Amino acid sequence: DAGVIQSPRHEVTEMGQEVTLRCKLISGHNSLFWYRQTMMRGLELLIYFNNNVPIDDSGMPEDRFSAKMPNASFSTLKIQPSEPRDSAVYFCASSPGWGTEAFFGQGTRLTVV
Amino acid sequence: ELKVEQNPLFLSMQEGKNYTIYCNYSTTSDRLYWYRQDPGKSLESLFVLLSNGAVKQEGRLMASLDTKARLSTLHITAAVHDLSATYFCAVDDKNFVFGPGTRLSVLP
Repeated sequence: DAGVIQSPRHEVTEMGQEVTLRCKLISGHNSLFWYRQTMMRGLELLIYFNNNVPIDDSGMPEDRFSAKMPNASFSTLKIQPSEPRDSAVYFCASSPGWGTEAFFGQGTRLTVV
Repeated sequence: ELKVEQNPLFLSMQEGKNYTIYCNYSTTSDRLYWYRQDPGKSLESLFVLLSNGAVKQEGRLMASLDTKARLSTLHITAAVHDLSATYFCAVDDKNFVFGPGTRLSVLP
């Protein structure tokens, strides 16, 4: 398995534009996590899915952020409209289930100018 | 709300020395994980600790878990430069919450 795959790896966009980040889970994994990492705030959990269902979205900063799992192997994180303070590295991670480690993708470095 | 703390946040040590990184958490979970992150890279799983008293070792790193004290330690033995990285602990309490990380620099 190629591991968790994120795209794009880098994204530069203008303030106000819509941004969509994509994540392909490891086959057979049923838990999916989206994280945001910045120097100031560290690694923040944005949302957690289990079996395609959002379980905890309390970390989603505001309504501009939304995440979906249209199927068991794929997820998107959308920011609309984007703002400069959204600039960060966004990671997704998947795990086979509760009590197992999470495997991280390579991350998407987002810059909003 | 689950809180995960680490100390120290920054650690500079000489090669050959020993040191311990501490991870405290606020829940009763007995599932704790340690990760390593190199600059500009993703997070790599190091240890999975799933019960009170669990101890895992890999090379110069050893991790332990005390669920009663809500404390995990990552012990470094005879540090080498290649261990320079940021180390995170994470607690699994239905979701994965990470500590702030400990940035380790091993100096020659």
